[in-house]
Amino acid sequence: AQKVTQAQTEISVVEKEDVTLDCVYETRDTTYYLFWYKQPPSGELVFLIRRNSFDEQNEISGRYSWNFQKSTSSFNFTITASQVVDSAVYFCALSESGNAGNMLTFGGGTRLMVKP
Amino acid sequence: DSGVTQTPKHLITATGQRVTLRCSPRSGDLSVYWYQQSLDQGLQFLIQYYNGEERAKGNILERFSAQQFPDLHSELNLSSLELGDSALYFCASSVGGTTNEKLFFGSGTQLSVL
Repeated sequence: AQKVTQAQTEISVVEKEDVTLDCVYETRDTTYYLFWYKQPPSGELVFLIRRNSFDEQNEISGRYSWNFQKSTSSFNFTITASQVVDSAVYFCALSESGNAGNMLTFGGGTRLMVKP
Repeated sequence: DSGVTQTPKHLITATGQRVTLRCSPRSGDLSVYWYQQSLDQGLQFLIQYYNGEERAKGNILERFSAQQFPDLHSELNLSSLELGDSALYFCASSVGGTTNEKLFFGSGTQLSVL
């Protein structure tokens, strides 16, 4: 069965600090997709990134970067020079190609608080 | 704005009652999903529809049912409500409903069962 674990339930940093959010997943499929979503205080879930299991290249988008390592089943998310607007709950999610449809399994989320 | 519209935003009802949550997907999206977010269970997949047909089913209780109509909007019906059903219910949509697609989420319906 698929499972996503975000061990950090809450992280607090001061603005401009770098912060890494951890995500560890379990799956029996060889083809799967990993996602990160952001849930700001307004409540709506916003897509950040998608990564397929065959692409282990790290990705950088502005202050955001993602490190995917199949060897450790991890898909970590780093925010560089954090800002107050980054305060949100961040969810890592997994979708297996063997599933009928597109069923996302979410981790428990990490609440990030960035203080000025 | 994701383009996914959910109504109502808030719903307060009593145990034993029945409610209907409504979702309009983004223009052009054929697949609709329902998720439940609660403090104890986190974000849980309930059900997915694609072009009117059920595509995948998750941890959806028998007291809950959903459907997608020809105009692609969807409704989630919750009956015989219990206190534990209090949660934020999200609708999401995607173009085709395959496993690699990103989802666009609505702002949710906050259900409070008293």
